[in-house]
Amino acid sequence: EIVLAQSPDTLSLSPGERATLSCRASQSVSSSYLAWYQQKPGQAPRLLIYGASSRATGIPDRFSGSGSGTDFTLTISRLEPEDFAVYYCQQYNSSPWPIFTFGPGTKVDIK
Amino acid sequence: QVQLVQSGAEVKKPGASVKVSCETSGYTFTDYYLHWVRQAPGQGLEWLGRINPNGGGTNYAQKFQGRVTMTRDTSISTAYMELSRLRSDDTAVYYCASVSPIVTSLGSWGQGTLVTVSS
Repeated sequence: EIVLAQSPDTLSLSPGERATLSCRASQSVSSSYLAWYQQKPGQAPRLLIYGASSRATGIPDRFSGSGSGTDFTLTISRLEPEDFAVYYCQQYNSSPWPIFTFGPGTKVDIK
Repeated sequence: QVQLVQSGAEVKKPGASVKVSCETSGYTFTDYYLHWVRQAPGQGLEWLGRINPNGGGTNYAQKFQGRVTMTRDTSISTAYMELSRLRSDDTAVYYCASVSPIVTSLGSWGQGTLVTVSS
């Protein structure tokens, strides 16, 4: 089973700053199979990025995803007040059976 | 617009079963997998499995094999997740999710259902 690790655990930044979040997989992941989600307290997760770099509908262009193989990155170019939240990466693997796994999350909080 | 509306909070005793529903609207129910994900208090996200509403085929996470059953009723565009032999560590918010731009992500989510397992 592929395990995802996210770093850092917590990122303390100020509005307007750039945030760089890392997701590392224990084995190579197809870029098509990597997604990122944002979750705010008391809310369901929201899909931000799919296929490693494609923004979901309605997601501002300050959010971008990149990476391949075992290393993936979510970048928020300039943090807005509403971006302070927890971010999860997720991968899909079809072998030996379909499975979706999530990373442990990175919390972006206000410095 | 796409909506997934889940049933209300449940309190169950250890050993009991719980069945959570997810009523969908705003899209063709049989066009997209319907997933179930849970989140224990203060913890991360855990995938339980998915159902293909077109035919009813399921894929369950190995951890939940034998304890989880996912079903659907296409006549009312509703999916169900039943978890049996509940333990205290099954206490969590359970989410349904569907309608993704690609099959390998989870695009639209329900509001969540809190299931509390306590004696």
